[in-house]
Amino acid sequence: DVKVTQSSRYLVKRTGEKVFLECVQDMDHENMFWYRQDPGLGLRLIYFSYDVKMKEKGDIPEGYSVSREKKERFSLILESASTNQTSMYLCASSFRTGDVYEQYFGPGTRLTVT
Amino acid sequence: EDKVVQSPLSLVVHEGDTVTLNCSYEVTNFRSLLWYKQEKKAPTFLFMLTSSGIEKKSGRLSSILDKKELFSILNITATQTGDSAVYLCAVEGVADKLIFGTGTRLQVFP
Repeated sequence: DVKVTQSSRYLVKRTGEKVFLECVQDMDHENMFWYRQDPGLGLRLIYFSYDVKMKEKGDIPEGYSVSREKKERFSLILESASTNQTSMYLCASSFRTGDVYEQYFGPGTRLTVT
Repeated sequence: EDKVVQSPLSLVVHEGDTVTLNCSYEVTNFRSLLWYKQEKKAPTFLFMLTSSGIEKKSGRLSSILDKKELFSILNITATQTGDSAVYLCAVEGVADKLIFGTGTRLQVFP
């Protein structure tokens, strides 16, 4: 079974705090992604990574950074949390083999910034 | 700008009904279209479609893609309360990125 795990299911932080969200996958996938999901807006891509130490901005990278020091781990960092970053954060990993592509999600972290 | 639009936004049916969920897209360098089911947790993968006109089936769920008209449908027959969820459509475009629609919320009542 594909397993994508996230460090916390629920997190409450104060405005201005630095926040780390960790994601680990055990399927040796090359690609990893961070999304946020908000009502009425669907899933929006924050950052993604194709390989160790490689990162690409998604659609809404402002206020976030990422780190991928090891293939299995992809971290999302909120340098200075703000209330508009209250959201559900979903990590995913993916693989492609020929014409087959699948993406697997972690359970999500619901972050509240007060 | 790439976009994926799902309709309807929400749907309320009774058990046993058949439902059709729609997904239209405008995405540069289309590679595939994926359907996910999301209950009160992370999305779970249902189907991936790459070719027009070939139906994918899994039990009571089926899906088909029309690459000429740029849409896909997801059908659920004989709905059950356990089918209640948000159904997400996503299109794989440039660089393996997925563009998601906002989802269709399906509620099935006994």
